[in-house]
Amino acid sequence: GQQVMQIPQYQHVQEGEDFTTYCNSSTTLSNIQWYKQRPGGHPVFLIQLVKSGEVKKQKRLTFQFGEAKKNSSLHITATQTTDVGTYFCAGPSPGGNQFYFGTGTSLTVIP
Amino acid sequence: ETGVTQTPRHLVMGMTNKKSLKCEQHLGHNAMYWYKQSAKKPLELMFVYSLEERVENNSVPSRFSPECPNSSHLFLHLHTLQPEDSALYLCASSHQRTPQETQYFGPGTRLLVL
Repeated sequence: GQQVMQIPQYQHVQEGEDFTTYCNSSTTLSNIQWYKQRPGGHPVFLIQLVKSGEVKKQKRLTFQFGEAKKNSSLHITATQTTDVGTYFCAGPSPGGNQFYFGTGTSLTVIP
Repeated sequence: ETGVTQTPRHLVMGMTNKKSLKCEQHLGHNAMYWYKQSAKKPLELMFVYSLEERVENNSVPSRFSPECPNSSHLFLHLHTLQPEDSALYLCASSHQRTPQETQYFGPGTRLLVL
């Protein structure tokens, strides 16, 4: 079956350092979505990418969709303690009838 | 507040108990989902309802029984659960049941099966 893997699984950074999480799918995705889940919270939608090679920015967050539409990345510049949480990528199966979440990257920001 | 509420927020039950989880969305969406989130595992999609009709059932054991009486409410009936069923159960909704739709999650029910 389709798999969506993320690396790293865990990341600890000093406040102010940059952070990147990578998402890799075993199959081509029609689109990819990113969600953030704060500790003790629930996933909250961040952004959706649809086009091959697409790059979108939200303040300090930069999202990229790979040319082959099988991978994506989220980069945070100058992390803050409010960035703490688990970041999930997610995307539909080729037929669109399934929706797979990635394994997630848990980010800890050390003040 | 995302417009999706879940009750109860925490639940402890024995393996012989029967309980139900409730989800309500106030967003006017047509699709609702149940997910299971276990420690160190990806979010697992359990059930999908679109316009009150079940469209996905991802090999979920029969001890989990969903019910969608209308497009705003979704239930997950639990009976004779196992300790490995302990997890966070998340409800989500989206405008339509299409791959492009954003899903809005509720706060979840944290379930412990003893």
